[in-house]
Amino acid sequence: EAQVTQNPRYLITVTGKKLTVTCSQNMNHEYMSWYRQDPGLGLRQIYYSMNVEVTDKGDVPEGYKVSRKEKRNFPLILESPSPNQTSLYFCASSLQGTTSYEQYFGPGTRLTVT
Amino acid sequence: QKEVEQNSGPLSVPEGAIASLNCTYSDRGSQSFFWYRQYSGKSPELIMFIYSNGDKEDGRFTAQLNKASQYVSLLIRDSQPSDSATYLCAGYMYSGGGADGLTFGKGTHLIIQP
Repeated sequence: EAQVTQNPRYLITVTGKKLTVTCSQNMNHEYMSWYRQDPGLGLRQIYYSMNVEVTDKGDVPEGYKVSRKEKRNFPLILESPSPNQTSLYFCASSLQGTTSYEQYFGPGTRLTVT
Repeated sequence: QKEVEQNSGPLSVPEGAIASLNCTYSDRGSQSFFWYRQYSGKSPELIMFIYSNGDKEDGRFTAQLNKASQYVSLLIRDSQPSDSATYLCAGYMYSGGGADGLTFGKGTHLIIQP
């Protein structure tokens, strides 16, 4: 089954404790992206990757890091989480170069930083 | 600054009626537009995309694009209670490898009243 997976689905952590949210897709997609979703603010892009070893900042990259060492994986790293990073996070992927540019979303990771 | 604007709602529509969702965008370079449906706590799922002026129909859904007016809409015919969700409009501009991605509106909350 074609899908985007994220782990963990739920995470409660404390300020300053480094964490990684994993994202993996099995569709051989070139493009992958991370979003956060907050009430009243909608979906905002954090980072994206056009292909392996190619990453770029989205609209709200501060406090986040990413890497793209393999095509299928795109982990989101929070080196020193803060309470304002409490949010619902979505990973997405798409086949680059198509007009439709449909993005497939993972199930989401609900992060709480206390 | 690329922006996609939607009325947050809630938009309340009787069951069986036509629901009309609207979206405007600021960037004339935007080439493709997407409508996603999102149930509470779930990930967005693609309903339709459109990139040419005019109408595009898929079952009970019709997307309309007017590039001159920078306006996108989604019509849902024969609305069902299961259509109750938040509908996200997103725009995309392809720059041939440049730093671009989907820009999402904040979503319209649709309620179908039985």
